[in-house]
Amino acid sequence: DTEVTQTPKHLVMGMTNKKSLKCEQHMGHRAMYWYKQKAKKPPELMFVYSYEKLSINESVPSRFSPECPNSSLLNLHLHALQPEDSALYLCASSQEGRGQGVAFFGQGTRLTVV
Amino acid sequence: RKEVEQDPGPFNVPEGATVAFNCTYSNSASQSFFWYRQDCRKEPKLLMSVYSSGNEDGRFTAQLNRASQYISLLIRDSKLSDSATYLCVAYSGSARQLTFGSGTQLTVLP
Repeated sequence: DTEVTQTPKHLVMGMTNKKSLKCEQHMGHRAMYWYKQKAKKPPELMFVYSYEKLSINESVPSRFSPECPNSSLLNLHLHALQPEDSALYLCASSQEGRGQGVAFFGQGTRLTVV
Repeated sequence: RKEVEQDPGPFNVPEGATVAFNCTYSNSASQSFFWYRQDCRKEPKLLMSVYSSGNEDGRFTAQLNRASQYISLLIRDSKLSDSATYLCVAYSGSARQLTFGSGTQLTVLP
């Protein structure tokens, strides 16, 4: 099973809403990532979790709040977003040790903030 | 200066052509390098890892030159299905961070 599953696939939310994006992998990977991708741009790193601990926060606004409940799950909680936060949000996972850097991406959540 | 820079593209080539993509990186601490492929409105997927000795996977050949901090990807006998955006990626183990280049769009024409 080399799959990273993200839900929902599409999300439309208002600026006052609270929503959560979910990501799940069962490959035993201990590094998990959130990326944001705007149209015709490369993915931009938001957060890195290593062994369920937040190891990198790339100066992401506090309206994005990550959570790693266990080694298989990664959430991104959204609150009071702005229209410019509309983007494709990608979750990825990779092994620690040998295989580092080989990331498996989920299909992404296409988020529209209205 | 961006950490990973790629040919801006786009590349439009006929079927059967050979096409080469180049990439440079600025962080000498980067440990591993990869080419990812991203189809329109899809997620990135690993195409191949890149080694100093060069590596080949079918029609695809990747090369890393650490001294020049340069990475390349060669696609021979292009197929219509090769049309995608190709992303050059550097990995830093200390930061556990994948850094993506801006991507090069390839369109293979019939």
